[in-house]
Amino acid sequence: GDSVTQMEGPVTLSEEAFLTINCTYTATGYPSLFWYVQYPGEGLQLLLKATKADDKGSNKGFEATYRKETTSFHLEKGSVQVSDSAVYFCALSAGAGGTSYGKLTFGQGTILTVHP
Amino acid sequence: EAQVTQNPRYLITVTGKKLTVTCSQNMNHEYMSWYRQDPGLGLRQIYYSMNVEVTDKGDVPEGYKVSRKEKRNFPLILESPSPNQTSLYFCASSLHGTDTQYFGPGTRLTVL
Repeated sequence: GDSVTQMEGPVTLSEEAFLTINCTYTATGYPSLFWYVQYPGEGLQLLLKATKADDKGSNKGFEATYRKETTSFHLEKGSVQVSDSAVYFCALSAGAGGTSYGKLTFGQGTILTVHP
Repeated sequence: EAQVTQNPRYLITVTGKKLTVTCSQNMNHEYMSWYRQDPGLGLRQIYYSMNVEVTDKGDVPEGYKVSRKEKRNFPLILESPSPNQTSLYFCASSLHGTDTQYFGPGTRLTVL
């Protein structure tokens, strides 16, 4: 079945440091890929998404590129802020049809802490 | 404001006492879903609904029931809760299953 693997956490950085959170996936067909963010005490918010190979999703300074050849969707940000401290989830959706319709398959989440 | 709401936000209960967690969305979405979040496991889908009166099992449906009598509501029912159902629960909705999903704020359930 489909699966998503994220880099082990937690990740601790100083403000203005470069961030990379690795995400690789296994899926049949052509899934859509997502990064969700969960701030303390809140639900999940969509951060960015990509629906086909070589698409780049971007939002709030975060970027991720859908790499079909390496089955990866790594999250990057050039300069993190204290306010970026949160849990980040990589996820995929297999799309229409079959028993997986609409289901998001999540990675285990990566806790990011940014210090001033 | 477009949103997904869940109630209660926090619940402590005892083994075997039936409970319902409500979920409501005001975006006229057809697709709704329940997930549970456990440390180290990410989120796993419990049940989903493609439209009114259409529901199906996700990856971890054992011990849960759902119903979809109205488009906006999708309650999660635990007929006889057990301690292994202690978890953080999220409801989500989207216009269709292939669209961006919007999540509720979560319900933290503890079963003693």
